[in-house]
Order: sequence, then C-alpha cells, then structure tokens
Amino acid sequence: DIQLTQSPSTLSAFVGDRVTITCRASQSITTWLAWYQQKPGKAPNLLIYKASALQSGVPSRFSGSGSGTEFTLTINSLQPDDLGTYYCQQYNRAWTFGQGTKVEIK
Amino acid sequence: EVQLLVSGGALVQPGGSLRLSCAASGFTFSRCAMGWVRQAPGKGLEWVSTISGRGATTYYAESVKGRFTISRDNSTSTLFLQMNSLRVDDTAIYYCAKAPPLVTGYFDHWGLGTPVTVSP
Repeated sequence: DIQLTQSPSTLSAFVGDRVTITCRASQSITTWLAWYQQKPGKAPNLLIYKASALQSGVPSRFSGSGSGTEFTLTINSLQPDDLGTYYCQQYNRAWTFGQGTKVEIK
Repeated sequence: EVQLLVSGGALVQPGGSLRLSCAASGFTFSRCAMGWVRQAPGKGLEWVSTISGRGATTYYAESVKGRFTISRDNSTSTLFLQMNSLRVDDTAIYYCAKAPPLVTGYFDHWGLGTPVTVSP
C-alpha cells in the first residue's frame, strides 16, 4: 500500500500569510495526487488534481506542485475562509489519503 | 448542478448489515466512476471503495474487502454500498463521491454523507 504523510499536522497563520503544506508518498506516484479542503461539518472539496491542476471554481491563491514522492500545496495570502483541514490523496495505485493538516487562523 | 444525496445510515449492532444509497443527478451518471469514502469521528478520510462507470470493475480497501459490496444502477443513477459483518470500527460518516467523466482517480464532487454507528 502507498502511504501518504502530511506535514505539519496543524498550522496556525495570519491572514495574508503564505502557507505551505507538504505531502510525502512512500513510493513514486508520478503526479497522481489531489488536494482537498474540508471545512468543519462539511464534505471535502476538491482543490487540485494531477498535482498542480486547479479545479474549476477554486481561487487562484491555491496552487499545487511536485512529482514522484514529494508534493506541496501552497495558499498565497491566507484568507479567513481558508480555515479547515487539508488532505492529499494519491490515485496512482488504489486510493489513499494523507492524515490531514488542520489550518487555523491566528 | 451535481447533486449526490446519500441515505441509509443508521445505528446497527456489531455483525449486522446496512445498505447505503447515493442518488445522483446533474451529470451523466454512467460516464463517471463513483466511490465511497468514510470518516470516523474526529479522524481523517479513509477511502472505502470505487466502481467504474459501467460497473464492470470494483475496488475495495483491505479493511472492508469481503464484507462490503459496491454496486450501481445506471438506469436510476444510484450508487449502493452493501455493508455486512459490520464492526465497531466501521463507525463513521460515509460519503458518496463522483469522479470526472472517464477518469478513475480523484473525486470532484461529494455528497453530504450519512452517519453509520456500529454499537452493541
């Protein structure tokens, strides 16, 4: 099974900050990686697919990069609405989610 | 507008069975792979199962293989998850999710989820 490890587990930042979340895969998944945002009490929402493709309707302050085993999700200019938990998901072989990164606003 | 309406969650005893349904609308159901993802209380997301658009191919997480069965009825645009031999650690919110047309990978729309509680 392919394992995904996200870091940090929790992140606290100010409005306007640039925020980066890392997702590491236990083996190469080329670019078969997606990122989701989940707000409290809500279903997840797709942000990024194929490592760097922005899903339609998602603000351009969200971006993804990486390939192989190391990936990042960046939020440029953090907004209050961005609080929630962020998950990476690989779909190279079966499906696996990372354990999540909780983003808090200072 | 894509809608995924999930139903069937309930309180059930260990060893019991439950069938979840996901009624889909707003897209061509038969062109899209569908999946179930669950989230235990206070925990992260766990992929459970995926089925191809025509239903010919199914995939399961090891934790549910042999106990859960995913299926779909393309004539009614409905996805199902038959859950047998339920265990306490199957307790979770169960989400239905769709993949983009002709893609089996990520999920671009999710339903609201239904709670399943397995308890004596």
